Amino acid sequence: EDQVTQSPEALRLQEGESSSLNCSYTVSGLRGLFWYRQDPGKGPEFLFTLYSAGEEKEKERLKATLTKKESFLHITAPKPEDSATYLCAVQASYTDKLIFGTGTRLQVFP
Amino acid sequence: SQTIHQWPATLVQPVGSPLSLECTVEGTSNPNLYWYRQAAGRGLQLLFYSVGIGQISSEVPQNLSASRPQDRQFILSSKKLLLSDSGFYLCAWSAGRLNIQYFGAGTRLSVL
Repeated sequence: EDQVTQSPEALRLQEGESSSLNCSYTVSGLRGLFWYRQDPGKGPEFLFTLYSAGEEKEKERLKATLTKKESFLHITAPKPEDSATYLCAVQASYTDKLIFGTGTRLQVFP
Repeated sequence: SQTIHQWPATLVQPVGSPLSLECTVEGTSNPNLYWYRQAAGRGLQLLFYSVGIGQISSEVPQNLSASRPQDRQFILSSKKLLLSDSGFYLCAWSAGRLNIQYFGAGTRLSVL
């Protein structure tokens, strides 16, 4: 069964304290892995897509990496405005549908 | 550029009343369209998706239905709402080879 597990469920960081969020997945042929940011009461905002093991993508303080079993979202020197829930999703090769994890709620304190 | 509109933003409805949530996409043709529900502390659950006008796939048995009367319009409906229908409903679209899904702002539905 295709599934996605994200850890930790919640993460509290001091401003400037770098850390990583984990997304472990099992899927029948990975077509793509997606990272989204979701602010409270809003729809998810697309961040990155990764397609093959070894691929990396960066955007400001965020860097996403991918292996055959998991993806990491590295946050370097986070700021309070990075506080949000980060969602990971995978797409199998046989479908257009996404399977989402339950997310990591990140809080960054000044 | 492409945009997605979803309304209303919030909705409070009594049990047994009907529901109609609308989603429209601009700036793209023949998109895939999706309806999700997000419960507190849980991931996004796919409810319906559509690859074209009149083509609807239902993912879970439930009290809801979906329709796609036009290429870029997707409607989520119910004839009689249940308490368990409360939640945060999200519409999304995707297109092209990369098939990245882009989400609307969501509708917070409270059934009382």
